Amino acid sequence: NAGVMQNPRHLVRRRGQEARLRCSPMKGHSHVYWYRQLPEEGLKFMVYLQKENIIDESGMPKERFSAEFPKEGPSILRIQQVVRGDSAAYFCASSPPTAYSSYNEQFFGPGTRLTVL
Amino acid sequence: LAKTTQPISMDSYEGQEVNITCSHNNIATNDYITWYQQFPSQGPRFIIQGYKTKVTNEVASLFIPADRKSSTLSLPRVSLSDTAVYYCLVVGAGSYQLTFGKGTKLSVIP
Repeated sequence: NAGVMQNPRHLVRRRGQEARLRCSPMKGHSHVYWYRQLPEEGLKFMVYLQKENIIDESGMPKERFSAEFPKEGPSILRIQQVVRGDSAAYFCASSPPTAYSSYNEQFFGPGTRLTVL
Repeated sequence: LAKTTQPISMDSYEGQEVNITCSHNNIATNDYITWYQQFPSQGPRFIIQGYKTKVTNEVASLFIPADRKSSTLSLPRVSLSDTAVYYCLVVGAGSYQLTFGKGTKLSVIP
């Protein structure tokens, strides 16, 4: 059973370009989460998605950032008109569907390291 | 959200037992204590989770006193491969937003 897959592992963009980060959850997992980690910091929650639905995007910057998890294919985190401050590691995690009262262990991918020049 | 406080860094020699303590004074009744491990250039990996007393698995033990205001992650006989950042998280039952602090950077010395 393959783990969470993310690609690309490294992405370099110039200021003003678009960045597209992809995440394929573990088999059988229908919940996807995106986190951002700045250098020397812990991970910060960005968005929680289920298939074709954004459940919680309270951690997403209001502008330039968007996420989707289509019926078919990977989840995409899209950053438009990137700036230097967007340089960070972006991690995707997935979890299986469970009852509300249960703790969902989240399985993390290896991350995409975005560098904005 | 309960805030957690843990040491920024720790050093240990190979073969020793390492104990990392985390304080979470404002933990709520339905919160669980969870620890993740992160190696350089990798995503965090779940290690252990507990609610009270003691939990043990093949990787670590977690000790939680009766007042639950702190917890201690115990790694038996560490090796060089245990060098990583260890995060203590307080997670509400059913919650999906994981809040990571800066963690404890453990360096294992040969």
